[in-house]
Amino acid sequence: DIVMTQSPDSLAVSLGERATINCKSSQSVLYSSNNKNYLAWYQQKAGQPPKLLIYWASTRESGVPDRFSGSGSGTDFTLTINSLQAEDVAVYYCQQYVSTPDTFGQGTKLEIK
Amino acid sequence: QVQLQESGPGLVKPSETLSLTCTVSGYSISGGYFWGWIRQPPGKGLEWIGSIYHSGDTYYNPSLKSRVTISVDTSKNQFSLKLSSVTAADTAVFYCARGGNTNWFDPWGQGTLVTVSS
Repeated sequence: DIVMTQSPDSLAVSLGERATINCKSSQSVLYSSNNKNYLAWYQQKAGQPPKLLIYWASTRESGVPDRFSGSGSGTDFTLTINSLQAEDVAVYYCQQYVSTPDTFGQGTKLEIK
Repeated sequence: QVQLQESGPGLVKPSETLSLTCTVSGYSISGGYFWGWIRQPPGKGLEWIGSIYHSGDTYYNPSLKSRVTISVDTSKNQFSLKLSSVTAADTAVFYCARGGNTNWFDPWGQGTLVTVSS
């Protein structure tokens, strides 16, 4: 199984500042045949299901604010939230979907400082 | 838009079989995606259980494969989960979602809490 490890486990950021969440996979999630990274990011607010933010490591889902961005390739990825808003308080998960079983990171809890 | 809704008992006794159904609306389950089940124990992270295609092709998490069966009913636009021999460790919110087999999960159902207790 590909193990996904996020860092940090939690972070507190001031409103209007930048939040950065890292995700590292135990094996590359880059598929050489199409040069795509099979990596997604989700946001889960309290009492709600996860919501897709980013797929293919850097493609923003329709309707997701452009302050959310994803980057990285191979085994190292980053979710960046610019100009943090109060509504961004949530737990964020990365997920690889290049091989079965699909696996998720342990989650990063984002709070307001 | 595509919507998914989980249904089933909220309480299951230890050693029994957990059964849930996901009803899909706004999209035909035969439309070319896999459909999956994911669970989340209270206060913990996400675990993929398995995914199914409208043809019946299935992929299961090896950690649960011996206890899991996922099936599809295209006439009702539904897919279902059975998890046998449950223990307290299987207590979780169960989500259904479109995705799996080299695809991300989107959208998700609201989730249903299943508690395993006598």
